[in-house]
Amino acid sequence: EPEVTQTPSHQVTQMGQEVILRCVPISNHLYFYWYRQILGQKVEFLVSFYNNEISEKSEIFDDQFSVERPDGSNFTLKIRSTKLEDSAMYFCASSERTANSPLHFGNGTRLTVT
Amino acid sequence: DQQVKQNSPSLSVQEGRISILNCDYTNSMFDYFLWYKKYPAEGPTFLISISSIKDKNEDGRFTVFLNKSAKHLSLHIVPSQPGDSAVYFCAASAEPGGNKLVFGAGTILRVKS
Repeated sequence: EPEVTQTPSHQVTQMGQEVILRCVPISNHLYFYWYRQILGQKVEFLVSFYNNEISEKSEIFDDQFSVERPDGSNFTLKIRSTKLEDSAMYFCASSERTANSPLHFGNGTRLTVT
Repeated sequence: DQQVKQNSPSLSVQEGRISILNCDYTNSMFDYFLWYKKYPAEGPTFLISISSIKDKNEDGRFTVFLNKSAKHLSLHIVPSQPGDSAVYFCAASAEPGGNKLVFGAGTILRVKS
């Protein structure tokens, strides 16, 4: 069964450093997402992406965050200057359609900012 | 953000019996609801969904019931198996907004053999 793959599985970085989290969505999906889960909290929406542009973003997704689809298969999340509070599990997801279509998630990248 | 609530942090069920997981929501604009299962160190795995135009959807051992007037949905797993032990998340979305999912806090299900 097709799946969403994320790399790396664990990333440790120092505060203020830039990180790039990578994702390969399911190949025939057109909509892409990033979610995150801070330890002990709910899974929360960050951003959705379609047709090479952001469709919607949450309040969390400030100027420190950016997303890109650099080629036909990868989807990346960049955090320019990491803060301690960015430590979380980051999940990439994709879906066939924008509405009434289940999201399929990757296994996540655990980001630890020290 | 309390738009989607799963009030039971955990549930323990005997193998072969029914597991019932509950979810309440407050936003009347939600029109699509999903259940995800999550094992440790893995991402959420989609189980089953239901549109607001339906009140029941079934897929094998999994059935989701939606009560719009009560703003309540439930997931029934029959029969429960030890491999069903995981965290179960309820999620919802509203048009417009496509698949911007709002998640509940999750319920840990333990199926005892």
